[in-house]
Formats: sequence, structure tokens, C-alpha cells
Amino acid sequence: AQSVTQPDIHITVSEGASLELRCNYSYGATPYLFWYVQSPGQGLQLLLKYFSGDTLVQGIKGFEAEFKRSQSSFNLRKPSVHWSDAAEYFCAGGDNYGQNFVFGPGTRLSVLP
Amino acid sequence: DVKVTQSSRYLVKRTGEKVFLECVQDMDHENMFWYRQDPGLGLRLIYFSYDVKMKEKGDIPEGYSVSREKKERFSLILESASTNQTSMYLCASSFFRDYYEQYFGPGTRLTVT
Repeated sequence: AQSVTQPDIHITVSEGASLELRCNYSYGATPYLFWYVQSPGQGLQLLLKYFSGDTLVQGIKGFEAEFKRSQSSFNLRKPSVHWSDAAEYFCAGGDNYGQNFVFGPGTRLSVLP
Repeated sequence: DVKVTQSSRYLVKRTGEKVFLECVQDMDHENMFWYRQDPGLGLRLIYFSYDVKMKEKGDIPEGYSVSREKKERFSLILESASTNQTSMYLCASSFFRDYYEQYFGPGTRLTVT
């Protein structure tokens, strides 16, 4: 069955430090891949998406993600974290038009001043 | 800005009660979704609607029903609430052509006692 895993339940980084959140997928073919962010008390917001083409994807709020087929990964990165980035981050994957659309369990990010 | 609103942020109901969760979007989106969010499980799709009066079961439809009488409004109904339906419920909407570009509401935290 298709799945998306996020190995880290909770990550803490200092403000200004770099960030990498891990995501691994298990799909038969190359899936569509996404990162969402959920700030406290708010709904999810789409950060970025990968459908095909360039494996390095730029998103909003200074985030980027890299698709690596050989590692079945789609890790999210940010070079310098801001306190406002503290939130829960969800990786998700799907096939064509919503088929097998699955969310990972989420990674909670805490940011130290 | 897209706005997806949900009728309640917090709701407490008793076992066996009929529960209505309402969702309204103001962007003329064709697609509307209801998800359930539980810690460690990410988001799971309950139901999806792509047009008025049309609905598709998601991954966990048991114990739930939905109603879409107007394009902007999508209701989730718990016919007889049970304690295992205590959860965060998220509504989302998207254009038909952009299934994955979903805009989320803030969520309703439902507690069934």
C-alpha cells in the first residue's frame, strides 16, 4: 500500500539554524509530493509541491524540498529558521488526481530563541 | 484570500447524539473535503465532494455521512456520535482542476463524552 512516513515526531532547532525535515514515500510510480504546514490553531497551508521535472522545488516562506528517487525521499529544508516557523509539518503524496492521497504523521518543529 | 470557515472551533457532545459540522468556502471551489486529524496518524480523508449533491467515500467513511446542497457549503454528519470519534476535523476546498491545491479551515475539535 502507498505510504508516506516522517521519521521524526519532534525536532527542536535554534533560531537562525538550518532545518531539514525528513519524508519518505512508498509508491509504485513517482507520486505527486507535497509539504503542508499547520501553525497553532490554524488549518493546513500548502508550502510546496512536486509533480515532475526539476527535483529541487521552491516553496513559500523560504522553504525548498528535494525529490530523490533513489532514496524515495522528499525532504524539506530551510537555510535559516525563524521563530514563526514553529509549527507542525506534514508531508503528503498522491497519484493522479487524488488517487492514494496519503498524509504522513507529521513532524512538530520547535524553535529556540 | 481564500476563506474556509468551520462553524465551531470546539464542540462537546454526548455519546449517541447527532452532530453536524458545517464548512463554508468563499472561492467558488468545486471540490470540498472532510478530514480527520489524530496525533501520529496525520490526516485521513472521510469524504470528498466534487459538485453539489455529489460525494465520494474517503478512507474512513464509517460512522459519518455528508451533505452538499449548495456549492459553498459542505456538512459532515455524525449520526450517532461515539467516543472514538473524538478528534480534530478539518474541512478543505479546491478547484476541480487542482485537486491537491487544497485550502483548509481552522478545524473543529470535537469531544464526545
